[in-house]
Amino acid sequence: DIQMTQSPSTLSASVGDRVTITCRASQSISSWLAWYQQKPGKAPKFLIYKASSLESGVPSRFSGSGSGTEFTLTISSLQPDDFATYYCLQYNSYPWTFGQGTKVEVK
Amino acid sequence: EVQLVESGGGLVQPGGSLRLSCGVSTFTFSTYWMHWVRQAPGEGLVWVSGINSDGSYTSYADSVKGRFTISRDNAKNTLYLQMNSLRAEDTAVYYCVRDAARPGGLDVWGQGTTVTVSS
Repeated sequence: DIQMTQSPSTLSASVGDRVTITCRASQSISSWLAWYQQKPGKAPKFLIYKASSLESGVPSRFSGSGSGTEFTLTISSLQPDDFATYYCLQYNSYPWTFGQGTKVEVK
Repeated sequence: EVQLVESGGGLVQPGGSLRLSCGVSTFTFSTYWMHWVRQAPGEGLVWVSGINSDGSYTSYADSVKGRFTISRDNAKNTLYLQMNSLRAEDTAVYYCVRDAARPGGLDVWGQGTTVTVSS
């Protein structure tokens, strides 16, 4: 199975900060990686697919990059609505696997 | 608006069974792969199972293989997850999720249904 390792587990930041979250795969997944945002008590929200493609309706301050085994999610200027937990998902091969999550909290 | 509505969750004793359902509206259910993803209290997301558009192919996480069965009824626009031999560690919110198909990932999520396994 492909293991996905996210870092950091928790990130403390302020509104306006540039935020970067990393996801590493235990083997190459090409670009078959998605990113999700989840708020407490809510279903995850789809942000990015194929490593760098922005889902329709997602603000342009979100961006993704990477291929192979290393990927990043960047929020260019953190907004109040962005404090949440973020997950990566590899969908290169079954069983699909999520990263353990990165909580973005108020500094 | 695309909607997925899960039902069937509840409290069940260890070793018991439960069947989750996911009703779909506003998209052509029969053309999409579908999945179940779960989240234990305070924990991260875990992919559980997936099924192709006509139900002929299924895949499972090792943790549920042999105990859970995913299925679908395209005439009823409904996805199912039959869960047998339930364990305390199966306690979680279970989400029904649409597969956007490559290049996309899991694009539309239901609100989730809670399964609690406890005596």
